[in-house]
Amino acid sequence: EVQLVQSGAEVKKPGESLRISCKGSGYSFTSYWISWVRQMPGKGLEWMGRIDPSDSYTNYSPSFQGHVTISADKSISTAYLQWSSLKASDTAMYYCARQGGEKGFDPWGQGTLVTVSS
Amino acid sequence: QSALTQPASVSGSPGQSITISCTGTSSDVGGYNYVSWYQQHPGKAPKLMIYDVSNRPSGVSNRFSGSKSGNTASLTISGLQAEDEADYYCSSYTSSSSYVFGTGTKVTVL
Repeated sequence: EVQLVQSGAEVKKPGESLRISCKGSGYSFTSYWISWVRQMPGKGLEWMGRIDPSDSYTNYSPSFQGHVTISADKSISTAYLQWSSLKASDTAMYYCARQGGEKGFDPWGQGTLVTVSS
Repeated sequence: QSALTQPASVSGSPGQSITISCTGTSSDVGGYNYVSWYQQHPGKAPKLMIYDVSNRPSGVSNRFSGSKSGNTASLTISGLQAEDEADYYCSSYTSSSSYVFGTGTKVTVL
């Protein structure tokens, strides 16, 4: 079974750093892109960016470029989303999703809830 | 990149058909056949329902169908069932080599 399993919920203070993870299984991790998607409380989906785990090539949405970093470690089939300095406005559910070429996002991870509060 | 425009809500009675629109521009929906649709139940992760405008992944009911005309894509749910009540989002590849989602549509089964 193809699965993406994300790391658990996080509670952080403004200014702190954070890295969340997304581990793929049941398929060749380097054969598919991994995208990250944000969903703020009660709001819609926003595409943040993606990574090709085979060579770590990334491209970002202009809205998120410079605010987050996407990386991957193909040796352990895991992709990451990280922040160097969190803000309260980063409070959201974050999903990773597999992509085959330009086709749809499938499957999705279960989501990681990030709460940033002083 | 602005979000694709979807109606905020659509409703229908069991057994009826409903259609959700997704309007973009020639730089996204109109320029590529890379439109996909997602179903999201409350508290759950999204699920792919349609990809490449009109293709259904294995396991998705054939009551779900997709189409596109110009800058507008559409998702039709036929034979509406109670389990179809959820939020639906469209997505498109863009000329910036990025992706954009729609504003989301809440489907209510009356």
